Amino acid sequence: GAGVSQSPSNKVTEKGKDVELRCDPISGHTALYWYRQSLGQGLEFLIYFQGNSAPDKSGLPSDRFSAERTGGSVSTLTIQRTQQEDSAVYLCASSPPWASLAAPGELFFGEGSRLTVL
Amino acid sequence: AQSVTQLGSHVSVSEGALVLLRCNYSSSVPPYLFWYVQYPNQGLQLLLKYTTGATLVKGINGFEAEFKKSETSFHLTKPSAHMSDAAEYFCAVSGTPLSGSARQLTFGSGTQLTVLP
Repeated sequence: GAGVSQSPSNKVTEKGKDVELRCDPISGHTALYWYRQSLGQGLEFLIYFQGNSAPDKSGLPSDRFSAERTGGSVSTLTIQRTQQEDSAVYLCASSPPWASLAAPGELFFGEGSRLTVL
Repeated sequence: AQSVTQLGSHVSVSEGALVLLRCNYSSSVPPYLFWYVQYPNQGLQLLLKYTTGATLVKGINGFEAEFKKSETSFHLTKPSAHMSDAAEYFCAVSGTPLSGSARQLTFGSGTQLTVLP
């Protein structure tokens, strides 16, 4: 079946512009994560959605970052007034219900959206 | 609080040689430990994981890792490297479900493995 789909795969924007990144998780997966991967660094947790529960936003680096998940499926990560330090690969991952409690950490990742802020 | 340290951002081995990628973790609760692999221009995929039980875990493509609590380590090994193993490898830690910190994976900074012919 289809994996996690992210769009756009590449985005180049000017400093100060807003960007939206989209994630379409695997059908039936209730958990959805956003991570940021910067050059030479590990993956930085941004936000986590689980079903209809309130999202865990503890990783969002500033109030310029926000995310929503409509209908428990597709998620959009929005970065307002982009800065050069926002340049990174933004990775989305999802996991099935059984994984969330029984075996957390079994995430299925998309190929990422590479954001370049000029 | 959790953290992961991967020693060596780049590791090079000859084809057929032993692969050893080091990972040390810090966790205030019993950890779940993972290795993920990222091939060029692809997303991460799970290589193997330790949750409970046997401390030596086997994953895909001949990789294995051993959880050593006394050393707070979870090093990744493979007896004989193949060219196709060239990729970036990430170690990650999460809490167990009962700890309340299971949701969040903390990743290391990654180790780029190069396999030389």
